[in-house]
Amino acid sequence: EAQVTQNPRYLITVTGKKLTVTCSQNMNHEYMSWYRQDPGLGLRQIYYSMNVEVTDKGDVPEGYKVSRKEKRNFPLILESPSPNQTSLYFCASSSTGGTARAFFGQGTRLTVV
Amino acid sequence: AQTVTQSQPEMSVQEAETVTLSCTYDTSESNYYLFWYKQPPSRQMILVIRQEAYKQQNATENRFSVNFQKAAKSFSLKISDSQLGDTAMYFCAFMKGTGANSKLTFGKGITLSVRP
Repeated sequence: EAQVTQNPRYLITVTGKKLTVTCSQNMNHEYMSWYRQDPGLGLRQIYYSMNVEVTDKGDVPEGYKVSRKEKRNFPLILESPSPNQTSLYFCASSSTGGTARAFFGQGTRLTVV
Repeated sequence: AQTVTQSQPEMSVQEAETVTLSCTYDTSESNYYLFWYKQPPSRQMILVIRQEAYKQQNATENRFSVNFQKAAKSFSLKISDSQLGDTAMYFCAFMKGTGANSKLTFGKGITLSVRP
């Protein structure tokens, strides 16, 4: 089954404690992306990756890092989380072949206290 | 930069009736895609319908159809024969057809409640 898998689904952490949200896709997609969803703001892109070792900033990259060492994995790293990073996070992947069809992970609800 | 506007934060509809969700967008691109996503309480993002800008024919998926007005930059979603399972937040989204970043630009979303 084609899917994007995020872990964990829920996470509560304290300010400043480094964390990683994992994302993995089994569709051999070149393109992967992270979004955050906040009430009244919709979803906004944090970072994206066109392929292995190719990453770039989206609209709201401050406070986040990513890496793309393998095609299937695209982890989101918060090295020093702050309360304003409390949000719902989504990973998405798609082929760059012009299908314009994005597959989303199940979402990660992060709370930073 | 592209913007997507959903001006109605909430709507309610009686089961079995028809409802239309509004969306407008702004872009200077000529090649792009438009989407409606459904987010039920499970938080999953589910693609409802997709429209290519170069296609004049409005997309249809079972009870869901769109009214795509390219000149007016309007992309509304019509849900016919509303069902309780249609209760969810709905997001309108835009994607450029070219370029390195297949970014989706989302509207703020609209919460739809279907009343029994």
